[in-house]
Amino acid sequence: AQSVTQPDIHITVSEGASLELRCNYSYGATPYLFWYVQSPGQGLQLLLKYFSGDTLVQGIKGFEAEFKRSQSSFNLRKPSVHWSDAAEYFCAVGATGGFKTIFGAGTRLFVKA
Amino acid sequence: KAGVTQTPRYLIKTRGQQVTLSCSPISGHRSVSWYQQTPGQGLQFLFEYFSETQRNKGNFPGRFSGRQFSNSRSEMNVSTLELGDSALYLCASSLPGPGTYNEQFFGPGTRLTVL
Repeated sequence: AQSVTQPDIHITVSEGASLELRCNYSYGATPYLFWYVQSPGQGLQLLLKYFSGDTLVQGIKGFEAEFKRSQSSFNLRKPSVHWSDAAEYFCAVGATGGFKTIFGAGTRLFVKA
Repeated sequence: KAGVTQTPRYLIKTRGQQVTLSCSPISGHRSVSWYQQTPGQGLQFLFEYFSETQRNKGNFPGRFSGRQFSNSRSEMNVSTLELGDSALYLCASSLPGPGTYNEQFFGPGTRLTVL
């Protein structure tokens, strides 16, 4: 069965420090992979997506993610975190044929001054 | 282009009542999906509609139902509400793509509280 695992429930980083959020997926075929961000009381905003091609994808707000098939991972990175990045981040896999998106449990990011 | 809109944004109901939530997709989007978000279960897929047909359904009881209209607007209904139905209900729309997957655009959600 398809699944997405985000091992870290919450992470705290200092403003200006680098960030890496982990994501592992389980999916039989080549997955469609996404990272979304959700601020309190808001819906989900797409940060970036991987459908095929270059395994390093660039997204909005300075985020990037790298698809590693051998590790079944799609980790999200940002070189320098801003206080406004504090939010919850969701990794997701989209399944063709099933027409649905499976989300990880999310990682809450705290940014300290 | 206007985003996905959901109405109402907040709703308070009591156990045993029923509720209908509405979602208007982005213009031109014909696929609409619904998700339930709770602190304990995270984001759970409810169902997906395309051209007024339900194409997939998650593991929810029959009290949860939905439909899609010819203008792609969608509604979901929950009958006989239970306390555990309190959640943020998110709607997402995407462009049509038979046999492919297209990214979804999410609305702000409807916060349902069941007392």
